[in-house]
Amino acid sequence: QVQLVQSGAEVKKPGASVKVSCKASGYPFSDYGVSWVRQAPGQGLEWMGWISGYNGNTDFLQKFLGRVSMTRDTSTSTAYMELRSLRYDDTAVYYCARDSGSSLDHWGQGTLVTVSS
Amino acid sequence: DIQMTQSPSSLSASVGDTVTITCRASQNINNYFNWYQQKPGKAPELLIYAASSLQSGVPSRFSGTGSGTHFTLTIRSLQPEDFATYYCQQSYRMPQTFGQGTKLEIK
Repeated sequence: QVQLVQSGAEVKKPGASVKVSCKASGYPFSDYGVSWVRQAPGQGLEWMGWISGYNGNTDFLQKFLGRVSMTRDTSTSTAYMELRSLRYDDTAVYYCARDSGSSLDHWGQGTLVTVSS
Repeated sequence: DIQMTQSPSSLSASVGDTVTITCRASQNINNYFNWYQQKPGKAPELLIYAASSLQSGVPSRFSGTGSGTHFTLTIRSLQPEDFATYYCQQSYRMPQTFGQGTKLEIK
């Protein structure tokens, strides 16, 4: 069955970087993209960006340009999201999701990133 | 960016009721439109894709309609496990965007 397993919770200081991993299984990794979505405490869902599993092409929400990187390792079927220059308002649960091109049909369990001094 | 406007933002209903949630897109998105359900402390789950297709394993009391800019999610005969937050989403054009969510609570 399709599974996306994310790395564990992180606590970071303002200005630091965080890198979250998302290991996929149960499907041909290169046939799908991976989208990253975050959710601040008590708030709604915010799509951050997407990476192609096939060729590594990316597309990001403009507000994250220059601060986010998305990469993937096809040998381990793992996608990564790195967010730099962390601010207090980056505190959120970060989700990866398999992107079929028309929907986000399977989701990881979420990774809580807390930015605190 | 395409804006998605959901209504209502919250809704109270009883077990057995039928409820409808609506979502409007700021421009035509054809049927590149999805509904997700999220329970507290859990990841969202895809309920309906392409506006009206039920994701595998989703009960038939859930249904979606619409195309273009206006979409609805109807839940018939509400069950206790249906009380959750529902989000709409467009996948027509990047950046993908979500509605602000509708919290469905027990009356």
